[in-house]
Amino acid sequence: TQLLEQSPQFLSIQEGENLTVYCNSSSVFSSLQWYRQEPGEGPVLLVTVVTGGEVKKLKRLTFQFGDARKDSSLHITAAQPGDTGLYLCAGDHGFQKLVFGTGTRLLVSP
Amino acid sequence: EAGVVQSPRYKIIEKKQPVAFWCNPISGHNTLYWYLQNLGQGPELLIRYENEEAVDDSQLPKDRFSAERLKGVDSTLKIQPAELGDSAVYLCASSPHEGPDTQYFGPGTRLTVL
Repeated sequence: TQLLEQSPQFLSIQEGENLTVYCNSSSVFSSLQWYRQEPGEGPVLLVTVVTGGEVKKLKRLTFQFGDARKDSSLHITAAQPGDTGLYLCAGDHGFQKLVFGTGTRLLVSP
Repeated sequence: EAGVVQSPRYKIIEKKQPVAFWCNPISGHNTLYWYLQNLGQGPELLIRYENEEAVDDSQLPKDRFSAERLKGVDSTLKIQPAELGDSAVYLCASSPHEGPDTQYFGPGTRLTVL
C-alpha cells in the first residue's frame, strides 16, 4: 500500500522552466527523503528533511517539509535536461522503514 | 568505494520456473534491503536484514519468495515458482546504520516472466 501520493505523475517541460513536485500523506513522518532515479539505475538520495517547516536547497533544487510533517515539495528552478528522471519521496515513520511515494517522472527537453 | 552490486542485471524466464537474484552490499553496511519496483512507481520493501537477521519480512510473499543473508554480507532473493505478475525490477539497498538513514541502491535486476 502506497501511503505517499505524488503529483503530478508525469511532467514534460522545456529547458529553463520551473516546476514543483508534491508529496502528500495523511500520516506524520519523522523524516522525509527525496530520491532521483535514472533509467536502469537505482534511486539516489538527494536530501533528507527532518524538521517541520524545514527548507533545504541543493543548487537549483529546493526541498520543503510541511509544518505538520505530512507533506513535502520539491521545486526545481531553470530545469535542465540532466534533471530528467523519476523523482521519489520516501517517508520514515520512525519504525526504521521507508515508505516510498508513487513517483513523478520528469522529462526536460532541450 | 564500490557501490551495491547486483546480478544478473536482466533475467527472462518462463512462468513456474525458479529464479534467484544476488546482492553484494557496500562493505561494512550492516543493513540490507530488498525492494520490488514496478514500472514508473516507487519501490516497495520486501525484506530488511540487520546483519544476518531478517527483522522485517512482513511484505514478503512467503509462499513463493525466500531470502537469505548468510554471514551477514551477501544476500540472495529467490522466487519459486515465478508468476507473470512477478515481472518487475528487484532492487537491493544497503545502509551503514540501523534504520532507513541513507540507503544506497544497486542498479536492480529487471525480471520478465513470460
